[in-house]
Amino acid sequence: AQSVAQPEDQVNVAEGNPLTVKCTYSVSGNPYLFWYVQYPNRGLQFLLKYITGDNLVKGSYGFEAEFNKSQTSFHLKKPSALVSDSALYFCAVRGKYGNKLVFGAGTILRVKS
Amino acid sequence: NAGVTQTPKFRVLKTGQSMTLLCAQDMNHEYMYWYRQDPGMGLRLIHYSVGEGTTAKGEVPDGYNVSRLKKQNFLLGLESAAPSQTSVYFCASSPGTGVEQYFGPGTRLTVT
Repeated sequence: AQSVAQPEDQVNVAEGNPLTVKCTYSVSGNPYLFWYVQYPNRGLQFLLKYITGDNLVKGSYGFEAEFNKSQTSFHLKKPSALVSDSALYFCAVRGKYGNKLVFGAGTILRVKS
Repeated sequence: NAGVTQTPKFRVLKTGQSMTLLCAQDMNHEYMYWYRQDPGMGLRLIHYSVGEGTTAKGEVPDGYNVSRLKKQNFLLGLESAAPSQTSVYFCASSPGTGVEQYFGPGTRLTVT
């Protein structure tokens, strides 16, 4: 079955430092991978996706993600963190039959000034 | 263009009561989804629809029913609410498969 794992419940980073939020996946077939962000008391917002092509995917708000097939990872990155990046981040993979998303448990990102 | 909207935003029910959550989207999307979000468990799919008049079970369908009578609306019903259904419920829509989903703002439901 398709699945994703987010090994860190929380990531703490200082403002201005680079950040990484980790995600690993398990799929049969080609992976369709997504990152979403959720701010407090809000719905999820799409950040970026990988379907095919370049392993480095650029998305909204300066975020990017690196697809690594050999390590089955899709880590979210940003070169310089902002306090406003503090939120809950979800990695997701397309389900086996293509019409669903399977979400990880989420990672809380805290950026301190 | 309002995107995905959900009604109501908050609700408190007593055990055994029933209610319906309404999701509406104005993007002409074929696919619609209902999720529940619980701490430490991410989002779990309850039911989904691949088009008007169709519904299918997701990961955690027990205790819920859905209907998609119109393309733009997707209703989630709880016939007899239980405390285990206390959660935040999100609706989402997408234009197809393998593409991003667009989420509503959520409904916070408490069952006492």
